[in-house]
Amino acid sequence: KAGVTQTPRYLIKTRGQQVTLSCSPISGHRSVSWYQQTPGQGLQFLFEYFSETQRNKGNFPGRFSGRQFSNSRSEMNVSTLELGDSALYLCASSLDPAGWVNEQFFGPGTRLTVL
Amino acid sequence: AQSVAQPEDQVNVAEGNPLTVKCTYSVSGNPYLFWYVQYPNRGLQFLLKYITVDNLVKGSYGFEAEFNKSQTSFHLKKPSARVSDSALYFCAVRDKRNNDMRFGAGTRLTVKP
Repeated sequence: KAGVTQTPRYLIKTRGQQVTLSCSPISGHRSVSWYQQTPGQGLQFLFEYFSETQRNKGNFPGRFSGRQFSNSRSEMNVSTLELGDSALYLCASSLDPAGWVNEQFFGPGTRLTVL
Repeated sequence: AQSVAQPEDQVNVAEGNPLTVKCTYSVSGNPYLFWYVQYPNRGLQFLLKYITVDNLVKGSYGFEAEFNKSQTSFHLKKPSARVSDSALYFCAVRDKRNNDMRFGAGTRLTVKP
């Protein structure tokens, strides 16, 4: 069974631009969560989707948004990029909503660099 | 709101010695607790989870973790460390009430030959 895939793996943008990251969960997984990982702040939860609905949201500004499609694939968008948005963005999928009992499976991440 | 703390940024241990990576949590009610490992330039890999059944949980790669409710701890352990265990380890807690998942800051484990 294929794992969680994220595209692109690396991305370089400039301040003010916007970016869209994509995540394909493991087949059959309906829950997708997004995290931001930085050396200073560690792993921070962005949001979680289940069956195309946002079920939970972390403490991030409205510039960060996401969506989930009927095939469970998910995208996250960051508008008006700031230098501080440079991070590794991780996507995780699980069978049930937010991995109540089942663990989350993580993708390799998208490394975003904002210049 | 729930929180999780990993009091040690770095743990060093010699190969073959037992290892412990500490984690304490704060959450109302019974938590779900997880351990993940991250190798360089990789996503997180699941190691084990506690879901209020057995206090001693066994996971992947010979790791285990002991849940201690009175001390609100969930320390990760391995009887005999291997050099290949060197990585970044994260403890995480999920609050059943609000579905929120929080990760610790991570502990870098270095196993020296």
